[in-house]
Amino acid sequence: KQEVTQIPAALSVPEGENLVLNCSFTDSAIYNLQWFRQDPGKGLTSLLLIQSSQREQTSGRLNASLDKSSGRSTLYIAASQPGDSATYLCAVKNNNDMRFGAGTRLTVKP
Amino acid sequence: SQTIHQWPATLVQPVGSPLSLECTVEGTSNPNLYWYRQAAGRGLQLLFYSVGIGQISSEVPQNLSASRPQDRQFILSSKKLLLSDSGFYLCAWSGAGYTFGSGTRLTVV
Repeated sequence: KQEVTQIPAALSVPEGENLVLNCSFTDSAIYNLQWFRQDPGKGLTSLLLIQSSQREQTSGRLNASLDKSSGRSTLYIAASQPGDSATYLCAVKNNNDMRFGAGTRLTVKP
Repeated sequence: SQTIHQWPATLVQPVGSPLSLECTVEGTSNPNLYWYRQAAGRGLQLLFYSVGIGQISSEVPQNLSASRPQDRQFILSSKKLLLSDSGFYLCAWSGAGYTFGSGTRLTVV
């Protein structure tokens, strides 16, 4: 059974810093990996989707990488802003379902 | 474009009462549909998924059930709610990636 782990569980940084969120998974036979953002009390917003054949995806200040063989993905956020404060969830898809990590709660201080 | 609707947004129900949460998808046919639950401070737990009408797979034994009466409709139900059923329920469909509804906050009192 696929297990997804995210570290750190929480992160607090000053505005302007570059930061990296980590995600690891136990079963490398994935179809894709997706990073989501969740604001308190809200649903999940998709940030980046990486197919199993891809190594990275970029959107604005966000860059996600995938190393399938080692079971790892990172989400890089450049020049962080207070509006980036949220919980970031990593999810991997095997077969017909997607497994989630517990998330990293990010706080960016002005 | 594809959209997913989930309602109600919040719900407070007494212990022992029934439950029905509805999710509908627009702009796609024969989607894979999912129900997840997120307990306070915890990750998302897959409850049910469906690959077609009348086809439901359950991930964990629980007090809940799911049904898919139409291609783009997915319903989460319970005959008698327990306190432990409280949580944030999310419906999703999968295309290239997953798209989630806005969630239902259920509080069982």
